[in-house]
Amino acid sequence: DTEVTQTPKHLVMGMTNKKSLKCEQHMGHRAMYWYKQKAKKPPELMFVYSYEKLSINESVPSRFSPECPNSSLLNLHLHALQPEDSALYLCASSQEGGRGTQYFGPGTRLTVL
Amino acid sequence: DQQVKQNSPSLSVQEGRISILNCDYTNSMFDYFLWYKKYPAEGPTFLISISSIKDKNEDGRFTVFLNKSAKHLSLHIVPSQPGDSAVYFCAAPRGTYKYIFGTGTRLKVLA
Repeated sequence: DTEVTQTPKHLVMGMTNKKSLKCEQHMGHRAMYWYKQKAKKPPELMFVYSYEKLSINESVPSRFSPECPNSSLLNLHLHALQPEDSALYLCASSQEGGRGTQYFGPGTRLTVL
Repeated sequence: DQQVKQNSPSLSVQEGRISILNCDYTNSMFDYFLWYKKYPAEGPTFLISISSIKDKNEDGRFTVFLNKSAKHLSLHIVPSQPGDSAVYFCAAPRGTYKYIFGTGTRLKVLA
């Protein structure tokens, strides 16, 4: 089973709202990722958690706040977003860094009004 | 600096024929490559990978070829099916955790 689940599938929020994206995997993977993908572009790495600790933050604005409550869950808290933050947000996980194949969830389509 | 390049943004192929998707890279330190398939509004799905110690890896209808001297890899799909219509990304791990993705090729298989 190589399933990564994400909720919600779609999210519309105003610029003053606070919302959260959720990601879950039960493959025993110890690395989890948040990506952002705009139309016709490749996925763009935002954050990496390894063993529940933040390993990489790709200079993401503080209006995006990741959280890893346990080894299976990954959240992305959103606050005061801008319309240009509208995108597909993808979660991924891998057994290990480097060569470990990353398995992606279906994504959350976020629209910021 | 685009270290992984997919120079063909789109490709149309007749059902039953071979689809060949190409990917070029510039960093000779890359030693592992992956192909992902992506349907609209879905996450990328891992398809096949290849290590630089090999020049070919096959999985059913999908074969990836690696030419290290040319810094080129290609994904062959035989026979192509309408369900293969998607965007295909090649990717290479860089350091720990980071992937360098190509810009993608949109494949359309015509019935």
